[in-house]
Amino acid sequence: AQTVTQSQPEMSVQEAETVTLSCTYDTSESDYYLFWYKQPPSRQMILVIRQEAYKQQNATENRFSVNFQKAAKSFSLKISDSQLGDAAMYFCAYRRPRDDKIIFGKGTRLHILP
Amino acid sequence: KAGVTQTPRYLIKTRGQQVTLSCSPISGHRSVSWYQQTPGQGLQFLFEYFSETQRNKGNFPGRFSGRQFSNSRSEMNVSTLELGDSALYLCASSLAVQGQQYFGPGTRLTVT
Repeated sequence: AQTVTQSQPEMSVQEAETVTLSCTYDTSESDYYLFWYKQPPSRQMILVIRQEAYKQQNATENRFSVNFQKAAKSFSLKISDSQLGDAAMYFCAYRRPRDDKIIFGKGTRLHILP
Repeated sequence: KAGVTQTPRYLIKTRGQQVTLSCSPISGHRSVSWYQQTPGQGLQFLFEYFSETQRNKGNFPGRFSGRQFSNSRSEMNVSTLELGDSALYLCASSLAVQGQQYFGPGTRLTVT
C-alpha cells in the first residue's frame, strides 16, 4: 500500500533562515505526482509545489524548492529566506496513478521565530 | 473567480443524528473531492466526484455518502453520527480529474 511519511511533526526556523521539511513515500509505480501543500492556521490549504516523477529536474516556486530523489523515494521541501507568513502545517502528498487518489502525510507544523 | 465554498463552516451535532455538508466548487470545475482531517489520522480521502459520478471512494463506512449535482456542487452526508466523526471536512475542486486541487475552508463538525 502506498504510504507517505513525514518524520518531523514540528519544526522551528529563525526568520530569514532556510529550513528543509522531509517526506518519504512508498510506491511501486514509476510515474506519479508528488505535492507539498500548506495549511496556515484557520486558513485554506493551498498547493505550494508539484513534482512529476518522470521529470528529473527538481521543481522550484520562488523561495520553495524540492529535492526529489526518486530512487530513495524522498521528496523534501526547502524553504529559503523563511518569512513569518510561512508558519503553517505542511503536508506532503502522493497521487496514485491508477486511480488518482491523493494520499497525504501526517503533516509537519512549521514555526517561524522572529 | 470565487474560490471553493463550503457550508456550513461550523456544525455541532449529537451522536446518532445525521448531517449534510455542502461544497460549491470553483466555477467551471467539474471534479470535487472530499477529505476528513483529524489530529490523529491526518487527512484522509473520502470520495471524489466527476460529472455527477463517483470516481473513487476511500476506506470509510457506508454511513458516509456523497453526491454531485449537474452544476458540480457536491454534498456529503454522514448518518448515525459517532463521536469519532468529529473532524474538519475539506472539499477540493479541480478543473479535471488530474488537475490542481483547490481547497475550501472546510466544515468543522463536532459530535457530542
